[in-house]
Amino acid sequence: GAGVSQSPSNKVTEKGKDVELRCDPISGHTALYWYRQSLGQGLEFLIYFQGNSAPDKSGLPSDRFSAERTGGSVSTLTIQRTQQEDSAVYLCASSLTSYPYFGPGTRLLVL
Amino acid sequence: QKEVEQDPGPLSVPEGAIVSLNCTYSNSAFQYFMWYRQYSRKGPELLMYTYSSGNKEDGRFTAQVDKSSKYISLFIRDSQPSDSATYLCAMANAGNNRKLIWGLGTSLAVNP
Repeated sequence: GAGVSQSPSNKVTEKGKDVELRCDPISGHTALYWYRQSLGQGLEFLIYFQGNSAPDKSGLPSDRFSAERTGGSVSTLTIQRTQQEDSAVYLCASSLTSYPYFGPGTRLLVL
Repeated sequence: QKEVEQDPGPLSVPEGAIVSLNCTYSNSAFQYFMWYRQYSRKGPELLMYTYSSGNKEDGRFTAQVDKSSKYISLFIRDSQPSDSATYLCAMANAGNNRKLIWGLGTSLAVNP
């Protein structure tokens, strides 16, 4: 596909369960971002991957959150022991230059 | 004080109006300025990208950067109902142009 894709598009889980969110960036894009968007809160930076460099994890809100990027392409964001405050839209973006292209997001609801 | 301030609105205008959306910022090192549009239940999409100061025009959209006032604007001419969305500004400095700082977004409704 031509754009960034994310799966699943929606996820409902129970408090305490682990979830994995997947991102397929645009082919050839070296940079990949994860953001979180909550109602009225704007875009919250989570993590940034650039090529083979160590990721910038400065935005991860707790050690329950982790992400990896395999082969410089697909990325997975994992949230362990989910809490209700983790409910949000998780957006992935990729870029080759200074401006990222976003996927449609994964809507996570923790009950 | 946030690094980037953006009035969340909502802003409601009649079809055909000229819309002005604005962001102010505090970091004088910002060099890259972007405007994104986000429709409900979709990811943000890039509208305009500007480096340093000046104006940039693309169809009905004009982006302006005034670095002396630390103020950026997006103008939409002949606004259409399809322009109804949330508009987000984002910016980055020259030393770390991948670390974008985002405004909260302004919700715009264009009424037919």
